[in-house]
Amino acid sequence: RKEVEQDPGPFNVPEGATVAFNCTYSNSASQSFFWYRQDCRKEPKLLMSVYSSGNEDGRFTAQLNRASQYISLLIRDSKLSDSATYLCAVNDNSGYALNFGKGTSLLVTP
Amino acid sequence: EAGVTQFPSHSVIEKGQTVTLRCDPISGHDNLYWYRRVMGKEIKFLLHFVKESKQDESGMPNNRFLAERTGGTYSTLKVQPAELEDSGVYFCASSQVRGFDTDTQYFGPGTRLTVL
Repeated sequence: RKEVEQDPGPFNVPEGATVAFNCTYSNSASQSFFWYRQDCRKEPKLLMSVYSSGNEDGRFTAQLNRASQYISLLIRDSKLSDSATYLCAVNDNSGYALNFGKGTSLLVTP
Repeated sequence: EAGVTQFPSHSVIEKGQTVTLRCDPISGHDNLYWYRRVMGKEIKFLLHFVKESKQDESGMPNNRFLAERTGGTYSTLKVQPAELEDSGVYFCASSQVRGFDTDTQYFGPGTRLTVL
């Protein structure tokens, strides 16, 4: 079983739509959770950390469900510029190394 | 503030040759990480430095890979001799000392390595 799993998509949504991604992780001892955004042939850029209480940053909301071992990302009012691959990252046993999912591809269309 | 920088951006070498990748972390970041993404796979951890010390090298594929961080500043990752399966994008990341909200890893643009 992979350490971090994501639905690869692609998710094709119209501008203005709300879209949600889930990511499951296998290591119950993981403490840190992140969503990164990666544009084509670019480096991953941190979108948001995911806290136990959930957190929101503008149109983006992240949630953590420890019992079911998944994290989610909700994007409201999608913009064309949101088109990218969204990577879920979870720290490993050492607490430092990140385990990444393969990413979920999002395409927002006019 | 300058971000993480990596050199070269691309490298094309033949099987059996040696390649050295360089990473300059964000100034003041003690933690430096190397990751690799092979085509079609997820980004995988290779190793972690804290200053000049190797904290965790559990992700290094084999002894053809050698990472150094002399002086605790920039780091190099040498592949010798390179094999076809080493092709991929090598990312470097850095973070400040561990603590609440300070362990975010910032990634460099990556080095795209192609072994022919």
